[in-house]
Amino acid sequence: DIQMTQSPSSLSASVGDRVTITCRSSQGIRNDLGWYQQKPGKAPKRLIYGASRLQSGVPSRFSGSGSGTEFTLTISSLQPEDFATYYCLQHNSYPLTFGGGTKVEIK
Amino acid sequence: EVQLVESGGGLVQPGGSLRLSCAASGFTFSDHYMDWVRQAPGKGLEWVGRTRDKAHSYTTEYAASVKGRFTISRDDSKNSLYVQMNRLKSEDTAVYYCARVIVDSGTYTYDYWGQGTLVTVSS
Repeated sequence: DIQMTQSPSSLSASVGDRVTITCRSSQGIRNDLGWYQQKPGKAPKRLIYGASRLQSGVPSRFSGSGSGTEFTLTISSLQPEDFATYYCLQHNSYPLTFGGGTKVEIK
Repeated sequence: EVQLVESGGGLVQPGGSLRLSCAASGFTFSDHYMDWVRQAPGKGLEWVGRTRDKAHSYTTEYAASVKGRFTISRDDSKNSLYVQMNRLKSEDTAVYYCARVIVDSGTYTYDYWGQGTLVTVSS
């Protein structure tokens, strides 16, 4: 199974900060990675697919990069509505595996 | 408008069974792979399994934690996805989401999720 190691598990940041979240896979997964945002009590929402493609309607302050085993989600200027938990997910091989999540909290 | 609505959750005793449903609307259900994903209380997301479409013989994939106990199926005539959960354990307690799988720019991804249904396994 491919293990997805996501870091940090939590972070505190202020509105306007640049935030970077990383996922590392235990094997190469090409660009078969997505990033999802989840708010309390809600279903996850797709932000990024194919490692770097922005879902239509998602603000451009979100970006994804990486290929192979290391991937990054960046929020260029954190907004109040961005406080949530973020997950990466590899779709490269079965079983699909999520990262452990990164909770972004208000500083 | 694409909608996925799960139902069938509830309280069940360890060792018991439950069947969850996911009613789909607003798209051609038969064209899509469909997945189940779960989330234990206060924990992260865990992939449960997948059913492929008719073109791929409705084949299925499962997480090791549920293989042999859970069965994912679908009824394209009813636009519905199911998961039959047997021999339930306390660690199966979670919110269960169904999610639509699409191929976008050559990669699989989820574009729509249901709101989830809570399964509690407890005596």
